[in-house]
Amino acid sequence: EIVLTQSPVTLSVSPGERATLSCRANQSLSNNLAWYQQKPGQAPRLLIYGATTRATGIPGRFSSGGSGTEFTLTISSLQSEDLAVYYCQQYNTWPQTFGRGTKLEIK
Amino acid sequence: EVQLVQSGTEVKKAGESLKISCKASGYSFTSYWIGWVRQMSGKGLEWMGMMYPDDSETRYSPSFQGQVTISADMFISTTYLQWSSLKASDTAMYYCVRAVAAIPDAFEIWGQGTMVTVSS
Repeated sequence: EIVLTQSPVTLSVSPGERATLSCRANQSLSNNLAWYQQKPGQAPRLLIYGATTRATGIPGRFSSGGSGTEFTLTISSLQSEDLAVYYCQQYNTWPQTFGRGTKLEIK
Repeated sequence: EVQLVQSGTEVKKAGESLKISCKASGYSFTSYWIGWVRQMSGKGLEWMGMMYPDDSETRYSPSFQGQVTISADMFISTTYLQWSSLKASDTAMYYCVRAVAAIPDAFEIWGQGTMVTVSS
């Protein structure tokens, strides 16, 4: 089973600043990686799939990159509403797996 | 509008059986992989398994294989997650999810979640 390691576990960023989240896989995923945002008390929401494609309705301040085993999610200008836990997920190989998440705090 | 509507909160006792449901609407039910994700209180997301309703191909996480059963009724566009004997450790929120495309893919559509509480 593919293990996804997300870092950091917690990230504290001031409004307007950039946040960079990392997801590392122990095997190559090609570009079969997604990012999700889960706000408190809500179901997760798909942000990015195919490693770099924004899902419908996702603001342009969310971008991502990477391929193979190293991936990043960048929020270019943090807003207070971005307070959430962010998860990566691989769907390259069965069983699909999630990372443990990065909690994004607003300073 | 594409949506997944899940059945309501369940409170059960250990050893009891349970079947929760997820009704899909707004798209061709048999054309997309559909699955389940568990989230225990205060914890992360866990991929449980997925099914392709058109041919009933089903995949499970090793962590959940033999513990739950995923099924579907294509005539009412509904998928199910079933336990034959619940444990207290099954207490969690369960989300129904649908893939972006007609392949095993990222989860574009999420249900509202079904809370399952199992007392010992």
